[in-house]
This record gives sequence, structure tokens and C-alpha cells, in this order.
Amino acid sequence: DTEVTQTPKHLVMGMTNKKSLKCEQHMGHRAMYWYKQKAKKPPELMFVYSYEKLSINESVPSRFSPECPNSSLLNLHLHALQPEDSALYLCASSQEYRVGPDTQYFGPGTRLTVL
Amino acid sequence: AQTVTQSQPEMSVQEAETVTLSCTYDTSESDYYLFWYKQPPSRQMILVIRQEAYKQQNATENRFSVNFQKAAKSFSLKISDSQLGDAAMYFCAYWALGRLYFGRGTQLTVWP
Repeated sequence: DTEVTQTPKHLVMGMTNKKSLKCEQHMGHRAMYWYKQKAKKPPELMFVYSYEKLSINESVPSRFSPECPNSSLLNLHLHALQPEDSALYLCASSQEYRVGPDTQYFGPGTRLTVL
Repeated sequence: AQTVTQSQPEMSVQEAETVTLSCTYDTSESDYYLFWYKQPPSRQMILVIRQEAYKQQNATENRFSVNFQKAAKSFSLKISDSQLGDAAMYFCAYWALGRLYFGRGTQLTVWP
């Protein structure tokens, strides 16, 4: 089973709201990723967690705050977002970080709209 | 720097025909992997096929096969017997040292 789940599917929020995106996998993977994808563009890496520790932060603004409470769960906390943050947010997981072949499996994404 | 180039922003194919999507990459790494992902309108990125750079044999998954030319740094995807469900954005991706580098994608249309 190569399933990564994400909730919610859609999210509309105002610039003063606080919300969270959730990602879950039960494949025993130890690496999890957040990507941001604008329409008709490739995904852009935001964060990488390996063994529940943050390994990469691609200079993402602090209004995005990731959290990895356990090896199966990855959250992305959102606060004071801007309209340009509207995008598809994809979660992915892989067996191990930096150990090839590190095939990443993606979730269905959360479509975020910031008003 | 790792770069992935997909030179065809859009392609179209008739149902049951064959289409080839191009991808080239640039790297100085010796250990890397190459992937094709498909993203239909439903948005989910779906793994289509994977190629290990150290393997000379081209990967095949049912109707999908690759032509991997390591010296030329080329990694094209061939879709045989195209089906309506193959319509999607296709991303070529290169993996090295824990990072996935994506091309800009090729939008594939399948005509009945």
C-alpha cells in the first residue's frame, strides 16, 4: 500500500486565520516532505523531515510552521498567510532520506486559498 | 547544479497510438535516480516509472517504458497504446542526495 493521505482537500482562509494541514502515511517511511505547487508548475520543496527531525527548511517564511509529532504524521501550521500563498500543498513520504532509491510517494494535496 | 529540462510543454496523441515525452538532465553526480510522475486533473502526483542510473537496462511498467541514454543525459518516456486516462501533466524528476528536481512538465492530451 503506497498511500499518503492529506486533509483537508480544500481550505479557504483569511489572512488573520490560523489553520493546519495534516498528512499521514502508514508505510513505515521515515522521511516526510512538504511541497508547494502553483498551477502548471512543478512542486517546490519546502521542508524535509527525517526520523521526525527537521532536515531541510528551504528558507520558507515563518508563517509556515511544520511539525512531525510521530513517524506517521506530518502537520503544516499556517498563520497570517498572504494571498500569494494560495497553492496546492503536497505531502510526500519515502523510505529513508538520502538513501537511494528514495522513491517519494505523494498525497492528493490540499488546495489552499488565502483571501 | 542539478537541472531537468522538458522541452515539450504540450503533446497530444490519438487513443491507441504511441507517444514519447522528452527529458534531459544535467548532473555531476554518479549515483542518482530518475523518475516520471503523472499528475492528472485530480492533482495527485502518481509515480509512473523509475530508473536507477547504474542500470543499463531500460525500465518498463506495462505500457510505459523509458529510453535511458546515460552518456547523453537523456531520459524519455514512451507511452504505448495510449488511453484517455493517460491525459495528465507528466513531470520528469531527477533524484540525488535526498532531493527531487523536477522538470517544468509536459501536458499530454489524448484524443479519442
